[in-house]
Amino acid sequence: AQKVTQAQTEISVVEKEDVTLDCVYETRDTTYYLFWYKQPPSGELVFLIRRNSFDEQNEISGRYSWNFQKSTSSFNFTITASQVVDSAVYFCALSEGGPYNTDKLIFGTGTRLQVFP
Amino acid sequence: ETGVTQSPTHLIKTRGQQVTLRCSSQSGHNTVSWYQQALGQGPQFIFQYYREEENGRGNFPPRFSGLQFPNYSSELNVNALELDDSALYLCASSFGTSYNEQFFGPGTRLTVL
Repeated sequence: AQKVTQAQTEISVVEKEDVTLDCVYETRDTTYYLFWYKQPPSGELVFLIRRNSFDEQNEISGRYSWNFQKSTSSFNFTITASQVVDSAVYFCALSEGGPYNTDKLIFGTGTRLQVFP
Repeated sequence: ETGVTQSPTHLIKTRGQQVTLRCSSQSGHNTVSWYQQALGQGPQFIFQYYREEENGRGNFPPRFSGLQFPNYSSELNVNALELDDSALYLCASSFGTSYNEQFFGPGTRLTVL
């Protein structure tokens, strides 16, 4: 069965600290995509990254970086030098999509990140 | 480029009533997905519409129904509201149905009393 686990319910850090949000997924498919979304207090989910199952290269975008490891079914997200504006709930999601599946997103329960000044 | 919009922003209903939520997809997108997000939880997939047809459904009862119009906007209808239907309802639009980025609207907060 498809499942996404975000074991960290809440993380608190002080500004400028680095923080890593963990994501572990389960899927039977060999082709799938993984996503990270940010949900600020306003409620709207903001797309951060999409990664396909055949591309295990780490990705860096500014202060954000992602580590995808198929061997451990993990897709972790690191924020370097965190800022107060990074405070939000972060969701990891899995999509199996494809011609025989509905392109639905399966979300984890989210990790609430609080960055204090 | 216009993003995904949803209306209304907030809604209060009583148990047993019916509700209709609306979503306008992002320009150029032909697929709309609806999600229910209970407090403190991740969004749960309700269903998806592609070119006006339902293209998959999550584990929600038939009293949750939807429509997609020729301009790709969509409605979510919930009949016989229950207290547990209180949640944030999120609409997401995308192009096509394979692994595409889904862009979310701001959501409709539904409270059932």
